[in-house]
Amino acid sequence: QQPVQSPQAVILREGEDAVINCSSSKALYSVHWYRQKHGEAPVFLMILLKGGEQKGHEKISASFNEKKQQSSLYLTASQLSYSGTYFCGTDPAGTALIFGKGTTLSVSS
Amino acid sequence: DAGVIQSPRHEVTEMGQEVTLRCKPISGHDYLFWYRQTMMRGLELLIYFNNNVPIDDSGMPEDRFSAKMPNASFSTLKIQPSEPRDSAVYFCASSPSRTYEQYFGPGTRLTVT
Repeated sequence: QQPVQSPQAVILREGEDAVINCSSSKALYSVHWYRQKHGEAPVFLMILLKGGEQKGHEKISASFNEKKQQSSLYLTASQLSYSGTYFCGTDPAGTALIFGKGTTLSVSS
Repeated sequence: DAGVIQSPRHEVTEMGQEVTLRCKPISGHDYLFWYRQTMMRGLELLIYFNNNVPIDDSGMPEDRFSAKMPNASFSTLKIQPSEPRDSAVYFCASSPSRTYEQYFGPGTRLTVT
């Protein structure tokens, strides 16, 4: 039931782009994305709802394909501050969020 | 608002001892979640409350774990007796809705020796 994230890790140079994927075997009502920096708590990035709605947050955007039960997080022109572990949280009906194992993003100058 | 408050921030205890972790959610948030984070398992939901009532405790690993929410501004997670495999970071989060944005506390790093 835990969503599967890919890739497990990404290494980028500043200014490069990255895509992080999240897929579930269950029908979803929403997908949440969080970022956690080392030694800190997860911080909310965005929510995507049924309907394939795409949301954006500065240079970070995401999409949600409810038919495929997949979501993708797009990070464009990455900055050093983007480094951290990205978690997707999925919402099968009737339960609380279930988080994936995370994708570690490292951005270097 | 001060955000979600957790105490202690670090706890080191010996196997067999009782451990109590504390959480104060953001005022007005009806949902409170307890998570455990380890390298192997990632971020696991242990239990969540709605309006102080436990809704789903299926993630609580064993009877050694118990959680309470006596009022809207306080919750505890207790482990008795503690074991080395309980070592992890425990997060508390609160939210105005079950599927809305969750606000995480700073976490409690528990080490059981």
